[in-house]
Amino acid sequence: KNEVEQSPQNLTAQEGEFITINCSYSVGISALHWLQQHPGGGIVSLFMLSSGKKKHGRLIATINIQEKHSSLHITASHPRDSAVYICAVTSSAGANNLFFGTGTRLTVIP
Amino acid sequence: ETGVTQSPTHLIKTRGQQVTLRCSSQSGHNTVSWYQQALGQGPQFIFQYYREEENGRGNFPPRFSGLQFPNYSSELNVNALELDDSALYLCASSLVVRTEQFFGPGTRLTVL
Repeated sequence: KNEVEQSPQNLTAQEGEFITINCSYSVGISALHWLQQHPGGGIVSLFMLSSGKKKHGRLIATINIQEKHSSLHITASHPRDSAVYICAVTSSAGANNLFFGTGTRLTVIP
Repeated sequence: ETGVTQSPTHLIKTRGQQVTLRCSSQSGHNTVSWYQQALGQGPQFIFQYYREEENGRGNFPPRFSGLQFPNYSSELNVNALELDDSALYLCASSLVVRTEQFFGPGTRLTVL
């Protein structure tokens, strides 16, 4: 079983729609990360959070430590938001590495 | 400020060969982590280097080895390449251990 599970695996939305991507994890963590990966492979860090909520432009990330759950929201989605969104966690024990979900492929249609 | 860079961008090797991938960390960052991402999968942790010492290793065989240099750049070496080693190899640097990681563009390795 993967330490990090994401849903949905694939998501298609119309431009302007509000989008939610969910992430659940099963290990104790020191931080949770939301990452964006475009075709070709480059990964961009969107958020790193350990509690509460963070906002950057049209992106909002929330985390509930007790429920071991995080959500990434995109308001007023745009075709340029089309990418794979990956949730990853830094375990609070052991090696200081990231455990990754398999990603959510988002396609925003004009 | 220069971001994380990796070289080469693409590489084709044959089974049994050896390969070296390189990563230059972001200025001021002393921690580098390496990840393998197979097609359609999330990245998997290979190992991490902090101030030239290995600081954690994932479930990869010993033929995956690494180095970090005094300027904090890093190399990933893979010996006796296998077909399953075909993947995107990502390097990420961070200011110190357990802080936000900044990723390079990756090296796509194809093993024939």
